Amino acid sequence: QVQLVQSGAEVKKPGASVKVSCKASGSTFTNYGFTWVRQAPGQGLEWMGWISAYNGNTNYAQQLQGRVTMTTDTSTATVYMELRSLRSDDTAVYYCARGGLTMAGFDYWGQGTLVTVSS
Amino acid sequence: QSVLTQPPSVSAAPGQKVTISCSGSSSNIGNNYVSWYQQLPGTAPKLLIYENNKRPSGIPDRFSGSKSGTSATLGITGLQTGDEADYYCGTWDSSLSGGVFGGGTKLTVL
Repeated sequence: QVQLVQSGAEVKKPGASVKVSCKASGSTFTNYGFTWVRQAPGQGLEWMGWISAYNGNTNYAQQLQGRVTMTTDTSTATVYMELRSLRSDDTAVYYCARGGLTMAGFDYWGQGTLVTVSS
Repeated sequence: QSVLTQPPSVSAAPGQKVTISCSGSSSNIGNNYVSWYQQLPGTAPKLLIYENNKRPSGIPDRFSGSKSGTSATLGITGLQTGDEADYYCGTWDSSLSGGVFGGGTKLTVL
């Protein structure tokens, strides 16, 4: 069955970077795209961006442009999301999910990774 | 302030029906597919409806989706206590060139 397994929780200081991984299994990795969605404590979902596992094409949320980079490693079927210059309001649970760019539907989700930014 | 507008909360009794609205504009709902997600407390979102009105395998037909113009609606019939969750709509916004979600609706089954 399809599974997306994310890396563990992180605690970072303001100004640092974090890189979260999402390992996919159970389907042909390069047939799909993957999105990253985050959820601040007690808040709603925020779309961060999308990457094609086929050709590495990316599309990032305007508010994160310049701070976020999404990459894939096809040899390990893993998607990565790196966020730089962390601020306290980046504290959130970060989810990866499988689906197309235009959000027709994300059918499988990772379990989430809590990133805490605190001095 | 979310691009898509959902009611903060809805409630109904077990066995009843509830609808959750998602209002947007021509740059998002009006010209793109809508999807709906259920998020139980402490868990990842789960896809309920994709491409406006299609259910993934395993989602019961108590859940339905529809779209008209710049609004979409999620319907849930035969409410169960296990349906208590937050529900989110999502779509693409062509003006922003990015994905957008509604602010979420908390469903309480009284």
